[in-house]
Amino acid sequence: DAGVIQSPRHEVTEMGQEVTLRCKPISGHNSLFWYRQTMMRGLELLIYFNNNVPIDDSGMPEDRFSAKMPNASFSTLKIQPSEPRDSAVYFCASRPGQGGDTQYFGPGTRLTVL
Amino acid sequence: AQTVTQSQPEMSVQEAETVTLSCTYDTSESNYYLFWYKQPPSRQMILVIRQEAYKQQNATENRFSVNFQKAAKSFSLKISDSQLGDTAMYFCAFRGTASKLTFGTGTRLQVTL
Repeated sequence: DAGVIQSPRHEVTEMGQEVTLRCKPISGHNSLFWYRQTMMRGLELLIYFNNNVPIDDSGMPEDRFSAKMPNASFSTLKIQPSEPRDSAVYFCASRPGQGGDTQYFGPGTRLTVL
Repeated sequence: AQTVTQSQPEMSVQEAETVTLSCTYDTSESNYYLFWYKQPPSRQMILVIRQEAYKQQNATENRFSVNFQKAAKSFSLKISDSQLGDTAMYFCAFRGTASKLTFGTGTRLQVTL
């Protein structure tokens, strides 16, 4: 079975540019999570969706960040405009529905904003 | 808010030996889940083991086992017969009624020959 798929794996962009990160959750999972990992703050939740609906976006740093989940098999995290402090590894994770408590992580996207 | 503390930033163990990584957490909830994730240099977050708080029996997965002490809010990971491939960052994580995972700061484990 394919795991969580993220693209791109690496992204280098210049300050002010728009960045879009993509995630395909494991088929059949109905919860999707976006995390960010930095040296300073460790792993922190940005937002999560349940059945394509955003449930908790309290971790989204500011209005420059937005996330969507138009269907059960696709989600995007967009940063516009990007800033150097957004440089981090962004992980997407998905979790099964009933009876599922384990989150399965994608390989991450390493974002560098120059 | 829940907090997860890993007090050992780095540890080293020789191949074939046993090592224990510490984790403590703070919560007022009674039903929750605890996890250990491994992050090798590839960056992939890999689930090592999980524990439901309502289960008294400690979880075991092959060479990996936990010592779950609910009253002490402690959740340590024991790795037996350490292998070079166990070299990684290990994160302890908590999940309560909220769906999100709260992570500790991680322990970097180095397995040496």
